[in-house]
Amino acid sequence: DAGVTQSPTHLIKTRGQHVTLRCSPISGHKSVSWYQQVLGQGPQFIFQYYEKEERGRGNFPDRFSARQFPNYSSELNVNALLLGDSALYLCASSFDGSYEQYFGPGTRLTVT
Amino acid sequence: QQQVKQSPQSLIVQKGGIPIINCAYENTAFDYFPWYQQFPGKGPALLIAIRPDVSEKKEGRFTISFNKSAKQFSLHIMDSQPGDSATYFCAARRGGFKTIFGAGTRLFVKA
Repeated sequence: DAGVTQSPTHLIKTRGQHVTLRCSPISGHKSVSWYQQVLGQGPQFIFQYYEKEERGRGNFPDRFSARQFPNYSSELNVNALLLGDSALYLCASSFDGSYEQYFGPGTRLTVT
Repeated sequence: QQQVKQSPQSLIVQKGGIPIINCAYENTAFDYFPWYQQFPGKGPALLIAIRPDVSEKKEGRFTISFNKSAKQFSLHIMDSQPGDSATYFCAARRGGFKTIFGAGTRLFVKA
């Protein structure tokens, strides 16, 4: 069975640009969460979606937005990129948003 | 109250040793405590998890000890191997909501 997949693997953007990151959860999983992991730190929660509804939001500015599609895949959008947005963006899926969640390999975003 | 404090930052042990990683939390509403293993360039992988009504859980060479009254929990890796060299994160979650991660422990197991 395929695990959580994310695309692209790596991305380089310029300050002020916009980026869209994509995630496909494990088959049968209905909840997707997004995390930001800055080098040398633990992942920080950004959003959780379940059945296409936002269930929770972390302490991130409104430049960050996300959505979940009917097939349970998800997009994370970041507007007006800052240098500080450079990080590994992780997607995690779980069956119903409950406890066990499984992470994808992440998208490495570099903002120059 | 939302923090999970993890120590040590880094750890070096000999092959066969038992590294121990400790975590502490404040928020008593947390009800699920997972541990993740992360290799460079990869996403975190769920290793083992525990609920606060259990004091110990073992899965293979990995053991979680949980002290609810002290609000502390720890990971022990028995018979550690060079392949266990990775970064380990403790975490805490409340009611299916967001997961709060510790800062991570970089473990190196010498051959």
